[in-house]
Amino acid sequence: ETGVTQSPTHLIKTRGQQVTLRCSSQSGHNTVSWYQQALGQGPQFIFQYYREEENGRGNFPPRFSGLQFPNYSSELNVNALELDDSALYLCASSLRETQYFGPGTRLLVL
Amino acid sequence: GNSVTQMEGPVTLSEEAFLTINCTYTATGYPSLFWYVQYPGEGLQLLLKATKADDKGSNKGFEATYRKETTSFHLEKGSVQVSDSAVYFCAPIYNQGGKLIFGQGTELSVKP
Repeated sequence: ETGVTQSPTHLIKTRGQQVTLRCSSQSGHNTVSWYQQALGQGPQFIFQYYREEENGRGNFPPRFSGLQFPNYSSELNVNALELDDSALYLCASSLRETQYFGPGTRLLVL
Repeated sequence: GNSVTQMEGPVTLSEEAFLTINCTYTATGYPSLFWYVQYPGEGLQLLLKATKADDKGSNKGFEATYRKETTSFHLEKGSVQVSDSAVYFCAPIYNQGGKLIFGQGTELSVKP
């Protein structure tokens, strides 16, 4: 158990809709990173938040956006969903460089 | 850009066999190196890490040594169990607070 929680666990949306995924970081951790893992692939970095500011972004379009709150929990928002957005979305919290992952949210876009 | 290469799976072993999963990383800078394990339907669990050359990370019988001269971080276990069946990811991180870089992972299947 890492203490990192994510909600919801599963989600089904249709193309064009918007979705918000949530992550609660481990106590004492001030950094949250989000990754997308397509089926059979390794996770791909979406972005990272440090003390409520975006601290790096991967090769994802602007319709992927995020927030980090004063308690260091975080949200990932995806607008205009596409079929290829179907994946496992993982968040990881860290204080220094070691990242601890949550169980993920599995998103299916129909 | 920076990248990591792992041996392709699936790797199928009998219980109590010796395991090696090869991992090499891009030689830019001095990354910290991690192994994560993913059981079916779950998130990633940190297995072990090493932060500088010649460091050995170890956990639950698994070991990996940071080899700067060969840019490698191979995962080994002397005697695998059925419960070790999972996907294993090697991931460097190139600056503190930066992103983990994942390859496609190596699926391990251990038969009784």
